[in-house]
Amino acid sequence: QPVPTQPPSSSASPGESARLTCTLPSDINVGDYNIYWYQQKPGSPPRYLLYYHSDLDKGQGSGVPSRFSGSKDASANTGLLLISGLQSEDEADYYCMIWPSSSYVIFGGGTKLTVL
Amino acid sequence: QVQLVQSGAEVKKPGSSVKVSCKASGGTFNSYAFNWVRQAPGQGLEWMGGIIPLFGTTKNAQKFQGRVTITADESTSTVYMELTSLTSEDTAVYYCARGQNYGDHVAPPFDHWGRGTLVTVSS
Repeated sequence: QPVPTQPPSSSASPGESARLTCTLPSDINVGDYNIYWYQQKPGSPPRYLLYYHSDLDKGQGSGVPSRFSGSKDASANTGLLLISGLQSEDEADYYCMIWPSSSYVIFGGGTKLTVL
Repeated sequence: QVQLVQSGAEVKKPGSSVKVSCKASGGTFNSYAFNWVRQAPGQGLEWMGGIIPLFGTTKNAQKFQGRVTITADESTSTVYMELTSLTSEDTAVYYCARGQNYGDHVAPPFDHWGRGTLVTVSS
């Protein structure tokens, strides 16, 4: 099963932008998949943020601020979660997810974002 | 508004089974798929499987084949997840998450989540 790879941790300062990555195995092409992103704070269930396939095919979760956005880096076979104007409340774990086939979905290992 | 209310925490012995429930409200139950995702202490999210109540179709992750059974009761808008042959590695928070019904396939996104049910497996 194609497990996405996420760095365990990332950090940025308030007001700056954060760029979280979700790298797919080399045998699948990021261009073929929606990348879904979830945010989880300690003691809470995950929250759906958004999905990104392309600039023409993307969607924001209900109530999710527009400073959360998705993108892809095809050269790195990577999906990206971009968070602009970082706030202390954005400190959380972030998970990507893909739907490689109709039979299953799979999560990345998650990235802990620290807002310094 | 959509709510997924899960049953309470469980403590189980190794080798036994656990059945967790998830009652949905605020949406059209049969229009969606419902999934189970677990999270071991300090670990990431792991999809276990899902069900489309409209068709009774289930999909399970390969890892849990033969050990997990997901069912739905349309009359009470409740989804159940039963996991058998428990070991200490099954100690985790188990989440119910509403997904999409794509044809007869369980599909993302998982847009609403229950609060989770802690299952502890200990002798």
